[in-house]
Amino acid sequence: NAGVTQTPKFRILKIGQSMTLQCTQDMNHNYMYWYRQDPGMGLKLIYYSVGAGITDKGEVPNGYNVSRSTTEDFPLRLELAAPSQTSVYFCASSYEEPMGGQGSEAFFGQGTRLTVV
Amino acid sequence: RKEVEQDPGPFNVPEGATVAFNCTYSNSASQSFFWYRQDCRKEPKLLMSVYSSGNEDGRFTAQLNRASQYISLLIRDSKLSDSATYLCVVNVMDSNYQLIWGAGTKLIIKP
Repeated sequence: NAGVTQTPKFRILKIGQSMTLQCTQDMNHNYMYWYRQDPGMGLKLIYYSVGAGITDKGEVPNGYNVSRSTTEDFPLRLELAAPSQTSVYFCASSYEEPMGGQGSEAFFGQGTRLTVV
Repeated sequence: RKEVEQDPGPFNVPEGATVAFNCTYSNSASQSFFWYRQDCRKEPKLLMSVYSSGNEDGRFTAQLNRASQYISLLIRDSKLSDSATYLCVVNVMDSNYQLIWGAGTKLIIKP
């Protein structure tokens, strides 16, 4: 199993450009998440999904969109890139909701380092 | 006050020593607790869940103190490979799947 795969690993965008961060998992997890991690800060939840066709906003959704057409894929779309979106983005998935049970471990992709200039 | 607070460190510790660090949380409705480990420029990985009764996994011991609203992580006989940032994570019952992440404590084990 590959686990959680994110692409690209690095990207530089100009202000106003758009891009899609791809995320796919092969563990048949229902729960998927997009986080951003800024220096010296904890991970912040952007969007999450509890299953195909269902998505919901996290703590910092502005400027982003997601879709979940299949169990495996959870792409994150940036429509009009802004310097404030410079960050490291992590996609994650878990079998169960993160309530501490055996299936609640979150598995992360390797991250995408995005710079907006 | 931050919802989940950690001493950012770095903690510089000689190899073989015991090190402990705490994490405080502000929401008394918090119900699940985790320690994740993050190596430099890598993704976080689960180290251990923290149960009410405390739990141990090899050299690692995690404790929960609900009265004082903190969790702790103790590492015994530290190894060079333990050098990493340790992230405290809390799930709050009313936050609907949202894990609240601390900013992490950086640990450096020196030979």
